[in-house]
Amino acid sequence: AQKITQTQPGMFVQEKEAVTLDCTYDTSDPSYGLFWYKQPSSGEMIFLIYQGSYDQQNATEGRYSLNFQKARKSANLVISASQLGDSAMYFCAMREPSRRIKAAGNKLTFGGGTRVLVKP
Amino acid sequence: KAGVTQTPRYLIKTRGQQVTLSCSPISGHRSVSWYQQTPGQGLQFLFEYFSETQRNKGNFPGRFSGRQFSNSRSEMNVSTLELGNSALYLCASSLASGAGELFFGEGSRLTVL
Repeated sequence: AQKITQTQPGMFVQEKEAVTLDCTYDTSDPSYGLFWYKQPSSGEMIFLIYQGSYDQQNATEGRYSLNFQKARKSANLVISASQLGDSAMYFCAMREPSRRIKAAGNKLTFGGGTRVLVKP
Repeated sequence: KAGVTQTPRYLIKTRGQQVTLSCSPISGHRSVSWYQQTPGQGLQFLFEYFSETQRNKGNFPGRFSGRQFSNSRSEMNVSTLELGNSALYLCASSLASGAGELFFGEGSRLTVL
């Protein structure tokens, strides 16, 4: 089974509207972290938002919020008031303790990404 | 505050050659991890260095290696390049290993001919 699943390969969104990008994950460890990144065509990976598994509140960063539903193992990204500059690939990623080193580290497992195109 | 800096941004090599990529993390960050991004395999973890020690590694052959210096700068090396090694190589830095945010650089785009 995939660790991180992004079921939407691509989507269009109207400028100024909100959009929700889906992400489900699979882990048996109680301690993990969830990340969202934006990758424009230039290639750089831009950090958007982070949610720790023990965080009580959903993470928010400006126009980005993470809808964290732990029981459902879902971490959807919500972008409010879409802008043309939001057109990019969006990746969900998870960090969990590594069996190899029997400790936490900074190995991220990424989903396949969702391409978002914002229409004027 | 400067972000993560990767050099070179673009490079072209031929099969059999070797390549060295450099990553300077955000000031104060001690963890550097490397990722390979290809259209077919997506983003895959290569290895992580923390305090000059390799902390973890992904499922890549031994031709892929790395190191970290005392100033936390890191290099990765790929020897005996193959066509399939053409990819965007991204490095990420973090204050610590296993906690907090990871910030990526712009990547080094390697083309192997």
